[in-house]
Amino acid sequence: DIMMTQSPDSLAVSLGERATINCKSSRNILDSSNNKNYLAWYQQKPGQPPKLLIYWASTRESGVSDRFSGSGSGTDFTLTISSLQAEDVAVYYCHQYYNTPRTFGQGTKVEIQ
Amino acid sequence: EVQLVESGGDLVQPGGSLRLSCAASGFTFSKSWMTWVRQAPGKGLEWVANIKEDGNEKYHLDSVKGRFTISRDNAKNSLFLQMNSLRAEDTAVYYCTRGVYYLDYWGQGTLVTVSS
Repeated sequence: DIMMTQSPDSLAVSLGERATINCKSSRNILDSSNNKNYLAWYQQKPGQPPKLLIYWASTRESGVSDRFSGSGSGTDFTLTISSLQAEDVAVYYCHQYYNTPRTFGQGTKVEIQ
Repeated sequence: EVQLVESGGDLVQPGGSLRLSCAASGFTFSKSWMTWVRQAPGKGLEWVANIKEDGNEKYHLDSVKGRFTISRDNAKNSLFLQMNSLRAEDTAVYYCTRGVYYLDYWGQGTLVTVSS
């Protein structure tokens, strides 16, 4: 199974500042045949289901704020919130869909400092 | 508007069975892979199983193989998860989601509690 490890486990950022979450996969999740990284990011607010933010490592889902961006390739990935807003307080998960079983990172809790 | 509505969650004793259902609407269900994901209380997300559009390919997490079975009824736009021989560690909110790769729509989830 591919293990996904996020860092940090929690993060406190001031309003308007940048938040950066890292995700490392235990194996390469870049398919060289199509040059796609099989990685997604989700946001989960308390009491709600997860919401898709980013897929193919860097493609923003329709309707998602452009404050959110994804980057990285191979085994190392990053979710960046460019200017943290109060509504961004949530737990964020990375997710590999390169192979089965699909696996998720343990989650990173983002709070306001 | 895409909607996924789960049902069937309940309190069940260890060794018991449950059948979860997911009613889908707002998209062409018969053309979509579907996936179950679960979340134990206060924990992270865990992929459970997925199923191809026509139901002819299914994949399950190793820890549920032989106990859980994913299925679908395209005529009724419904997804199912038959859960047998339930264990305490199966206690979780079970989400119905759309997709084989990234999961773009999620239901609100249904709570399964396995306890004596």
